[in-house]
Parts: sequence; C-alpha cells; structure tokens
Amino acid sequence: DAKTTQPTSMDCAEGRAANLPCNHSTISGNEYVYWYRQIHSQGPQYIIHGLKNNETNEMASLIITEDRKSSTLILPHATLRDTAVYYCIVRVANAGGTSYGKLTFGQGTILTVHP
Amino acid sequence: DGGITQSPKYLFRKEGQNVTLSCEQNLNHDAMYWYRQDPGQGLRLIYYSQIVNDFQKGDIAEGYSVSREKKESFPLTVTSAQKNPTAFYLCASNKRTGNAEAFFGQGTRLTVV
Repeated sequence: DAKTTQPTSMDCAEGRAANLPCNHSTISGNEYVYWYRQIHSQGPQYIIHGLKNNETNEMASLIITEDRKSSTLILPHATLRDTAVYYCIVRVANAGGTSYGKLTFGQGTILTVHP
Repeated sequence: DGGITQSPKYLFRKEGQNVTLSCEQNLNHDAMYWYRQDPGQGLRLIYYSQIVNDFQKGDIAEGYSVSREKKESFPLTVTSAQKNPTAFYLCASNKRTGNAEAFFGQGTRLTVV
C-alpha cells in the first residue's frame, strides 16, 4: 500500500473550515483514499473515502487532485468536538473497486479546534 | 444494534502470562483486524483476516497469535513472547466489497505488571 504524509498538527478556530492535507505521491491507480479520525482513547471513526472524484457527505468533503498525488479533507464548520487525530490512508482495491485490501494507518494529524 | 464489541475494556496481567483479547462483530463482515496503539502513536497492524479460517500477519505480529474459526469472532492472544505487551488494542471489521467502511471496537487497554 502507498504511504501517506500528513502534518503532525494543525489548529483551527471554531466555526471556520478545517483543511487537512495529505500527500500520497506514490498512490497506484487501484488505491482509494480513506479518512478516519480518532478521539482520545476511542476507536477510529470513518469519515469519507474516494478514488479520483471529489466526495462530500454529512461530515466532510474530500478533494483529490487531478494527478491523485494529494488530497485535502475539509470540515466546513469545525466545532470543538472535531478535535481529534485525523488519519489519511490509501487502500488497494481490485479493478472494479469491489473488494479491498488491508487498512494501514500512519501517524495522522492532531487537529485542535479552539474557541 | 449491530456493532463490534471488544472485551474487557481494561485488563491486567502478570508478566509471563498469556492473555486473550476478545473481539466479536454481528455486522456480517468478512474482514477483521487487530491493531496496537502506544501512547501518542498511530495504529499498527498486528494481524488481519479476510475470510474464515484464514489470516495474515501485519507489521508487528511477533509475540501475538490469532484464530478465525467463526466469521463473528477474531480473538487475539498476547503471548509471553511479546516483549512489551502493555498497550491499547483495537479490533476492526469491514465488508470486503462495496463501501468497505471499517468499524472499530472501543478497545482494550492491556497492562502487564
């Protein structure tokens, strides 16, 4: 699986958008980008994933560059409860995206949302 | 409600003893995973299983063993060969197809004294 690089930590003001970058310059054509977050001492929570198109759900938006070498997770209106460690993961899938390989985590980004 | 359950939440053992951590899911997921997390660190993959009766080593399998006799269960045994077993252990599961969103348990904090 391709490795990812994320900043160690970021700050964001409450109510503002939080933009978390991820570099995955060695990503392969059959690898998806996944984002999870972990609040202290809990199990990680799935946020969003995508292949090459931008994606949006009720939690966040995922912007993937055209060359797929980097992506940005956007939390549009950050709240104090969004303070967590955010993990960007690339994960192999078969050609049809119908089955997936193992899930390997990196160090993640510590996002601190302050009042 | 469907979910993934780890038990117990806290576990204490004496050095040199084997200990088994439980992970059960009723989500009908094919794949299950075990991770270890040390303070201030990310998750490291210990073992994973894509189907019943099959499993593969992850990045830090030494000193651990698993079994996958049933789809719902993926117990992890921390053996006396694991040099530094005190850690937070997380279990996860997902479908192998479709969305493949992984669901995590709440973790077991193992302390070896």
